Amino acid sequence: GGIITQTPKFLIGQEGQKLTLKCQQNFNHDTMYWYRQDSGKGLRLIYYSITENDLQKGDLSEGYDASREKKSSFSLTVTSAQKNEMAVFLCASRRGFSNERLFFGHGTKLSVL
Amino acid sequence: QQQVRQSPQSLTVWEGETAILNCSYENSAFDYFPWYQQFPGEGPALLISILSVSDKKEDGRFTIFFNKREKKLSLHIADSQPGDSATYFCAASAHIASSSFSKLVFGQGTSLSVVP
Repeated sequence: GGIITQTPKFLIGQEGQKLTLKCQQNFNHDTMYWYRQDSGKGLRLIYYSITENDLQKGDLSEGYDASREKKSSFSLTVTSAQKNEMAVFLCASRRGFSNERLFFGHGTKLSVL
Repeated sequence: QQQVRQSPQSLTVWEGETAILNCSYENSAFDYFPWYQQFPGEGPALLISILSVSDKKEDGRFTIFFNKREKKLSLHIADSQPGDSATYFCAASAHIASSSFSKLVFGQGTSLSVVP
């Protein structure tokens, strides 16, 4: 089996601050994802990557940057944190492209003061 | 626009009852429908899935019923247990022949509470 590790578990930032969230997976999966989870809104795709150094925008990419410098890691940057923003950011990976199960990390909970 | 919709937003059932969680979708190209289960403080995990060529999929106490014509599906949890209390997400994707990549679209989730 494998595991997806997200750091940090909790992130408190200031308005306007640039914040970086990290994700590591040891499944040797090709495809990695960043989702944002807001209460009552489900999971919305921010960025995904189908291989090392590949980046694809999801439905919610504005205000975010991502980086996939190694196959095992995928980082997400909030370019300018919004006041009172609160959400959980979930990293996921899967082996192939279609109809393969997604494996999720436990999430990073972001609060912006 | 919300391509995948779930109802109800929250559901409470007694232990032993059957919980029914509903899902509908708009894109007729969707052909793969997984359900993910999420416990507080954890990420979602795949529970059960169905392809559009089937109308029913069972796995123990969990059953998906799928109606392609109406673009609806439901997850039935038989003999509900307090340990089933979690948020359940319906998701959908379309396998595009020209590309092997397909994006998974999630519904907004149903929060299930099973009362002893």
